[in-house]
Formats: sequence, C-alpha cells, structure tokens
Amino acid sequence: IAGITQAPTSQILAAGRRMTLRCTQDMRHNAMYWYRQDLGLGLRLIHYSNTAGTTGKGEVPDGYSVSRANTDDFPLTLASAVPSQTSVYFCASSDGQANGELFFGEGSRLTVL
Amino acid sequence: GDSVTQMEGPVTLSEEAFLTINCTYTATGYPSLFWYVQYPGEGLQLLLKATKADDKGSNKGFEATYRKETTSFHLEKGSVQVSDSAVYFCALNKGQAGTALIFGKGTTLSVSS
Repeated sequence: IAGITQAPTSQILAAGRRMTLRCTQDMRHNAMYWYRQDLGLGLRLIHYSNTAGTTGKGEVPDGYSVSRANTDDFPLTLASAVPSQTSVYFCASSDGQANGELFFGEGSRLTVL
Repeated sequence: GDSVTQMEGPVTLSEEAFLTINCTYTATGYPSLFWYVQYPGEGLQLLLKATKADDKGSNKGFEATYRKETTSFHLEKGSVQVSDSAVYFCALNKGQAGTALIFGKGTTLSVSS
C-alpha cells in the first residue's frame, strides 16, 4: 500500500528557479493538503484542496501555487524560489469527512541557495 | 483564530520514566483533537484522537483526555521507551468536512537507556 508518494525526496536549487513538488495518493481521498515544516514553527498550511477541481489558500500561500486536475495528484509549484522557502514540505490527504485523519507523505526537503 | 499551544521541548527522559506533554487549544465550537508523532526522517502519523469532551484517546501506551473545561489535551505515557524518541504534535480541526488540521509547534522527546 503506497498511500501518499512525494517527489523529489530532496532537492537543492538556485534562487529564482521554478520548482514543482509532486504528490500522488492512491487512497481516493477527496481532500489534499500541503504543509511546510520549519524548526520552531511546526507545520503551517500552504494550500489545500477539498475536492478535484477546487483549491484554497492556507496560512502561508505566498510564493506557491497548486492545482488539482484529478483526485490523485496535487502538485505544489514555486514559480521563482527564494531562500526563505527552504523547508521540508509535506503533502497529506484525508477522506474529507469531519474528524477525519490526515495521512502524510514522507516529505520533500528543499534547499534554496 | 484557532490555535494550539504545546509545551516547548526538548523533553529528555530516561527509559521507563513517566511522560507528560502539555497541549492547550483555542477554538470556537467543538473541535476534534489529535496527537501525531514524527519519527526521525519520516512523515507524521496519527497517534491518537478524541472527538468530543471527556473522550480519551489511547494507542501504544499513550493516552490523552479531551478536557473542554480546561481546553486541554495532554499526552501521557506511564513508561517511555527509547523507541518513543520522536517529535510529537498536538492538532485540532473544527470537525467540519474538508477542514485542515491546525498544528502546535511540536515537542521533541528524547529517551535514553
């Protein structure tokens, strides 16, 4: 059972470059989320999608965009990376029901130089 | 807005010691409460949850009771093991379909033999 697959696992890129973090789930969950994890700040929500075709902004959306063309995929794009976007990014999904558990991927570690 | 406050770490204990990690929340209505655990190099996974006042969640020897009168959801374990070393996150959601979790900043637990 794969659950949530994120790619790449780790990436170093130069400031100003465009980068897409991929996220795929095989649980047919309606809702998907992107969080970033930073030391001392915990997890902060970047963007979310309650169902295919819809997206919404979380707590820290600036500099990021997402799309949800189908149920399984929820890519996160940094149009022009900046050093403050150095972080560990986690994709998660849930069945979208009230009180539902979130299932997390293993994370993508991104370093912007 | 809604928020979760956890005790700051790191928490350092010897094997078989008693563990308490404090968590309090601020939210309107009746949120569901969660504890997630993140082992080194991995994504987050659900440890336990409680969906209404006075509910007790439990798993792997860990327990937490939803106390609405004190807006708390403290995590406890009677005898910790080295394998419990991880980062622990308290979280809430509003119990509405499709809503994301709001996380605390995480507490690092280190258990030595």
